[in-house]
Order: sequence, then C-alpha cells, then structure tokens
Amino acid sequence: AQSVTQLDSHVSVSEGTPVLLRCNYSSSYSPSLFWYVQHPNKGLQLLLKYTSAATLVKGINGFEAEFKKSETSFHLTKPSAHMSDAAEYFCVVITTEGTYKYIFGTGTRLKVLA
Amino acid sequence: EAQVTQNPRYLITVTGKKLTVTCSQNMNHEYMSWYRQDPGLGLRQIYYSMNVEVTDKGDVPEGYKVSRKEKRNFPLILESPSPNQTSLYFCASSLSPAHYEQYFGPGTRLTVT
Repeated sequence: AQSVTQLDSHVSVSEGTPVLLRCNYSSSYSPSLFWYVQHPNKGLQLLLKYTSAATLVKGINGFEAEFKKSETSFHLTKPSAHMSDAAEYFCVVITTEGTYKYIFGTGTRLKVLA
Repeated sequence: EAQVTQNPRYLITVTGKKLTVTCSQNMNHEYMSWYRQDPGLGLRQIYYSMNVEVTDKGDVPEGYKVSRKEKRNFPLILESPSPNQTSLYFCASSLSPAHYEQYFGPGTRLTVT
C-alpha cells in the first residue's frame, strides 16, 4: 500500500532563510507525487508535481522538490522564505494499482518570522 | 473562468437530517473527488469518480454517498449526518489523476449538532 509521511507538523524560519519541508513516501513502484499549499481560509493550490520525468522539479513561487528513489523522499525547498509563504503544505501520493486514490500527508504548517 | 464550485459554503444542521453538498466543474474533467479536512489529519479522500456512472470509495467513505450522473456534477450526500461528520469538505476535479493537478473548490464547512 502507498503512503506518505510529512516529518514535521510545524516549521518556523526567518524571512530570507531557506525552507525545507520533509516528505517520505512508501510505494511499491514509481509514484506520482505532488506538493499542494493551503493559505489560511483558502482552498488548495498545486505547487509542483513529479510524474517520472526529471527528478528535480521546479514549481511556483520559487519552490522546488527533488525525487530521491533511494531515500523514498520528496522534500520541498525554497532558497529564501518570504512572509507570504506562511501556509500549510501537503505532500500527496497517488495510488495507481487499479485505482486512483489520492493520499495526503498530515500537513506541515510553515511559519515565517520577520 | 475555469473553476470548481461548491454549495453551500457553510452549513449547520442537526443529527439525522439528510443533506446534499453540490459540486460542479466547468473544465470537462473526467476525475472528480471529495475530501474532508480535519485538524492534524490532513485531507482524507471520501469518494472519487473516474467518469460518469463510475464511482469508487476513498479512505473514509462510511456515512457518505455520491453520484455521477453528469460529467460536470458530483454531489456528496449525507443520508443521516452525525456530529463526527463535522468537518471542512473539499470537492476537486482533474483531467487525469496521475499526471495532472487537481483543481479544488473553495470548501464547505459543515457543522452537525
């Protein structure tokens, strides 16, 4: 069965410093992986996706993620945090074993300090 | 404008009173899905649909029903709501689930007393 684990429920960084949000997945074969962002009282927006093409994926707003099969990880990074990055971030894996279920991680709330 | 709409946005109801939350998309997407979001649990998939008349259970389908009679609509039905179904609900749609992003509706906040 496929699953996804977000290793930190809360992350705090200072404005202008790097962001690292960690995600590990479990899958019996090459997965499709996504990162979504949810700003307070808003819906969800896609940041980036990995679907077996390049392992380094670039997304919107300067975010990127690297798919590492050997470590079963898909960590989200950004070189320099901005106040507007404060939000909740979700790592998502899709099952494709005859079904198409989306499995969300429990989320990481990012706080950006001035 | 391409969008997913949900109605109502807010609903307070009582235990046992049947309700329907509507979801509609105007992007001709094949895949539609319902989620509930609870603090500390992330989003959990309730039901999804690959196409008209094709629906399947997600991870938390108990207490919910869905139907997909038309491509654009995917209503969520709670036949006999209970307080543990108090949650924030999102509808989403996608052209193809494995390769394309899901577009999410604005959410429906449901309170069952």
